[in-house]
Amino acid sequence: QVQLVQSGAEVKKPGASVKVSCKASGYTFTSHGISWVRQAPGQGLEWMGWISAYNGNTNYVQKLQGRVTMTTDTSTSTAYMELRSLRSDDTAVYYCARDGSGSYVRIFDYWGQGTLVTVSS
Amino acid sequence: EIVLTQSPATLSLSPGERATLSCRASQSISSYLAWYQQKPGQAPRLLIYDASNRATGIPARFSGSGSGTDFTLTISSLEPEDFAVYYCQQRGNWPRVTFGPGTKVDIK
Repeated sequence: QVQLVQSGAEVKKPGASVKVSCKASGYTFTSHGISWVRQAPGQGLEWMGWISAYNGNTNYVQKLQGRVTMTTDTSTSTAYMELRSLRSDDTAVYYCARDGSGSYVRIFDYWGQGTLVTVSS
Repeated sequence: EIVLTQSPATLSLSPGERATLSCRASQSISSYLAWYQQKPGQAPRLLIYDASNRATGIPARFSGSGSGTDFTLTISSLEPEDFAVYYCQQRGNWPRVTFGPGTKVDIK
């Protein structure tokens, strides 16, 4: 069965960086992209961007351009999301989600369990 | 950027009642709209994609309709496990994605 398992909770100071991992199993990793979605406490969902696990192409939301980098390691079927220059408003649960392939791109059919990132001095 | 508006913000209903949730897009997105359910402490779960297609394993009491700018998620008869927050999501201006603010369905 398809599973996305994320790394554990992180506490970071303002200005630091965080790197969250998302290990995929149960499907051919390079056949689907991975999107990252975050959710601030008590708030809605915010799409952060996408990476193709096939060729590493990325697309980031404009507000995070320059601070976020998404990568994949096909040898371990793992996706990573690094966010730099952390601010208090980056405190959120970060989810990875499997992105649909072909005509189903940007349909998120499987999700990781979420990783809480807390930014606090 | 395409903005999604959901109404109502909160829907208070009893088990067995019918729930009708609305999602409106700021411009036409054809049928490129999905619905997700999220329970406290859990990741979102895909219910409906491309406006009216149920995802794998989703019960038939969930249905979606609409196209262009106006969309509806209907739960025909609420089960206890259906009380949750529901988000719509558009992919009409791919590669960009936006989510609506959510509708909370709670127990009356």
